[in-house]
Amino acid sequence: KNQVEQSPQSLIILEGKNCTLQCNYTVSPFSNLRWYKQDTGRGPVSLTIMTFSENTKSNGRYTATLDADTKQSSLHITASQLSDSASYICVVLNSGAGSYQLTFGKGTKLSVIP
Amino acid sequence: ETGVTQTPRHLVMGMTNKKSLKCEQHLGHNAMYWYKQSAKKPLELMFVYSLEERVENNSVPSRFSPECPNSSHLFLHLHTLQPEDSALYLCASSPRLAGGVYNEQFFGPGTRLTVL
Repeated sequence: KNQVEQSPQSLIILEGKNCTLQCNYTVSPFSNLRWYKQDTGRGPVSLTIMTFSENTKSNGRYTATLDADTKQSSLHITASQLSDSASYICVVLNSGAGSYQLTFGKGTKLSVIP
Repeated sequence: ETGVTQTPRHLVMGMTNKKSLKCEQHLGHNAMYWYKQSAKKPLELMFVYSLEERVENNSVPSRFSPECPNSSHLFLHLHTLQPEDSALYLCASSPRLAGGVYNEQFFGPGTRLTVL
């Protein structure tokens, strides 16, 4: 069964600190992995999309890594800001035999405090 | 803003009511989606439309009825809902479903639905 597990479930950090969010998946065959940021009361916004051949991808202070062998991804946030407080959702697309499926994680809720 | 708007933002309805959720995208996309987001659960894909044709229906109860009159508008008609249907309903759009691949999706802000 395709699954995406995210950890931790929630995280509180001080403003200015770094943090790393984890995503483990059992989706197969793998097509791409996406990280979304969802602010409270808003829809998710895409941060990165990574394909099988990409190990690292950055978007400003956000850096995503992908290890397709161990089926793990991480999202590293550098020099956190109060506006980083949000839920971060990991999504994996699998494709095979003409069918495609998105599997969503439950998300990590990040709170950045002054 | 992502270019995808949803109305209403909040809706409270009884189990015998009929209501509709509206989604509009201003991005020139050809694919639109309905998702359900419940507390502490992953997003659940409900329906997918590509070029106004429904291409996916993930075993959603018939009390949810989608409608896509054109590539810019998507509706979700609701009737005789249950309290467990209370959730955030998100609409998304993407450039196209080329070869069936879900391109990068742009989400609307969602409609917070409460069923009493």
